[in-house]
Amino acid sequence: DTEVTQTPKHLVMGMTNKKSLKCEQHMGHRAMYWYKQKAKKPPELMFVYSYEKLSINESVPSRFSPECPNSSLLNLHLHALQPEDSALYLCASSQVGTQGAGQETQYFGPGTRLLVL
Amino acid sequence: SQQGEEDPQALSIQEGENATMNCSYKTSINNLQWYRQNSGRGLVHLILIRSNEREKHSGRLRVTLDTSKKSSSLLITASRAADTASYFCATPDTGGFKTIFGAGTRLFVKA
Repeated sequence: DTEVTQTPKHLVMGMTNKKSLKCEQHMGHRAMYWYKQKAKKPPELMFVYSYEKLSINESVPSRFSPECPNSSLLNLHLHALQPEDSALYLCASSQVGTQGAGQETQYFGPGTRLLVL
Repeated sequence: SQQGEEDPQALSIQEGENATMNCSYKTSINNLQWYRQNSGRGLVHLILIRSNEREKHSGRLRVTLDTSKKSSSLLITASRAADTASYFCATPDTGGFKTIFGAGTRLFVKA
C-alpha cells in the first residue's frame, strides 16, 4: 500500500473556528511532513516528524499545531487562522534514511483545500 | 532562497512533441528528484537520480544530471495531453534533513 490519505478534502472555516486536518499512511514510514502550497507555487515545508518526534518546525505560527499520535497518523490542528492561511495543505511520508529524510523519496497525499473566511 | 530553480516557468507544446525542463541548484547534493503535480492534487514522485549518475530513464522520461554545473534536466518524449501538470525538481538541503522544491515548470500539452 503506497497511499497517503488525507481528510477532509475540502475545509471552509471562520477565523474563530478550531479544526483539524488528518493524514494517514501504512507504508511503515517513520518520517512525516506537512506542507503548505499556494497557487502556482512549490510546496513550502511546515513541519517534519521523525520517529513520532517533531524534528523541524519552519517557524510556523502557533495557530498551526501539529501532532503525531503514532507512526501512521499525523494531525494538524488549526485555530484562529487568517484568510492568508487559505491554501492546499499536503501531507507526505518517507523513510528516514541513513543520511537524513531529505534524501528520501516522499509520498504525498491528495491534500486538503482550506479556505479561511 | 530556494535550493532549486527551474526554467521555463511555463511551457506549452502540442501532443507528440518533446518537453524539456531544467533545474539548477546551489549546493552539493547526493541526489535530485523530480515530481509531478496535477492541478490541485498531491505530488507524485517520478524519478531519482544520484550524484554519481549522469543520465537515467524511466519510460518516456529521461533525466540528466550535471554536478559540475549544478543542473538537471527532465525530458518527456512524445508528450500526451495527460502529461499536462506542474513539474518540480527537489534536492536535499545542506544538512540532508529536508527536501527543497524548485519553483516548478507548468507544462501544457495541447491535444
